[in-house]
Amino acid sequence: GENVEQHPSTLSVQEGDSAVIKCTYSDSASNYFPWYKQELGKRPQLIIDIRSNVGEKKDQRIAVTLNKTAKHFSLHITETQPEDSAVYFCAALVSGGYNKLIFGAGTRLAVHP
Amino acid sequence: DAGVTQSPTHLIKTRGQQVTLRCSPKSGHDTVSWYQQALGQGPQFIFQYYEEEERQRGNFPDRFSGHQFPNYSSELNVNALLLGDSALYLCASSGQGMGDTQYFGPGTRLTVL
Repeated sequence: GENVEQHPSTLSVQEGDSAVIKCTYSDSASNYFPWYKQELGKRPQLIIDIRSNVGEKKDQRIAVTLNKTAKHFSLHITETQPEDSAVYFCAALVSGGYNKLIFGAGTRLAVHP
Repeated sequence: DAGVTQSPTHLIKTRGQQVTLRCSPKSGHDTVSWYQQALGQGPQFIFQYYEEEERQRGNFPDRFSGHQFPNYSSELNVNALLLGDSALYLCASSGQGMGDTQYFGPGTRLTVL
């Protein structure tokens, strides 16, 4: 069935360190993978996404990599700052569907000054 | 340019009651998806509306129903509420294409007592 697994569930880093969150997906035909950041009590906000025709995408301190063969994709945050503290969700588009996203369970990132 | 809006912000109901939640999509978007986010979990896809019709559905019972209006706004209705329906209900708007970026509203926090 459709499934996205996300690890770790919690991540604690010191300010300035890098953080990596990993996801695996089950549907080999999935071709779109967004990442959302959700601060406490707020809506999920798209921070970066990647499509299956590329292996890596960067936007300032954030990057996402995709390994279609292994059905893995990862979020990399460099030079972390306290304002990066939030819950991060990965998601995968279900193949054959119009725009149905399957989300991971989330990673709570804490960046300590 | 207004983003996605939802109403009400919070709602408290008792078991067995019915509830209606509302969503207005981002300007220029014609597709609305609804998600349920239980505490500490990722959003779960309920269904998606396009051209006033439900075109995709997740694993939710028939107690969950919806509607889309000609102006693209949407409603989510839940009948015979259960304690387990307590959650944050998010709507996301997008264009009609597969893999179009989804933008989330602030959500409605439903508590069932």
